[in-house]
Amino acid sequence: DVKVTQSSRYLVKRTGEKVFLECVQDMDHENMFWYRQDPGLGLRLIYFSYDVKMKEKGDIPEGYSVSREKKERFSLILESASTNQTSMYLCASSMNYEQYFGPGTRLTVT
Amino acid sequence: GENVEQHPSTLSVQEGDSAVIKCTYSDSASNYFPWYKQELGKRPQLIIDIRSNVGEKKDQRIAVTLNKTAKHFSLHITETQPEDSAVYFCAASETGNQFYFGTGTSLTVIP
Repeated sequence: DVKVTQSSRYLVKRTGEKVFLECVQDMDHENMFWYRQDPGLGLRLIYFSYDVKMKEKGDIPEGYSVSREKKERFSLILESASTNQTSMYLCASSMNYEQYFGPGTRLTVT
Repeated sequence: GENVEQHPSTLSVQEGDSAVIKCTYSDSASNYFPWYKQELGKRPQLIIDIRSNVGEKKDQRIAVTLNKTAKHFSLHITETQPEDSAVYFCAASETGNQFYFGTGTSLTVIP
């Protein structure tokens, strides 16, 4: 059974703080993704990675960066958090097209 | 890039009735079309998917149809039950590296 975990379910940060969101998968999947989910906008891709140290920008990468030093771990970094980054962040991993999502991190930036 | 549109945004049906959610896509290169169900406070979960070499796929009360010519695909849920109440997302992908999601349909099944 695929397990994708995220480091926090809820997070509150202040404007300007550096924020790290961690995602770990235990199924040796090559592809990993970071999405943000906002009401009425669905899931929007921030970044994805298809291998260790490899990353590609998604639709909304501005204000975010990512790191993948190990195959099982994919980190999303908000260099300087802003209030418009308040959202639900979902991590996913996939093999052969099928995506498996983590439980999500609800980030509030005040 | 790909653009996926999903309709309706909300849908209410009586228990036992059928529900249909429709998505259109713009990139004819897309060849994989999954559907996800997200219950309140939970993660999205894959419920059914279809590839472009197939026109229809069924799994018990759930079916997906694909019309490649018209570039649309639909989710059909028959004999709806209250536990089918959730938000449903469609998506499209060409390579499996990048997925484009619809904006979601909130389905309410009224007992």
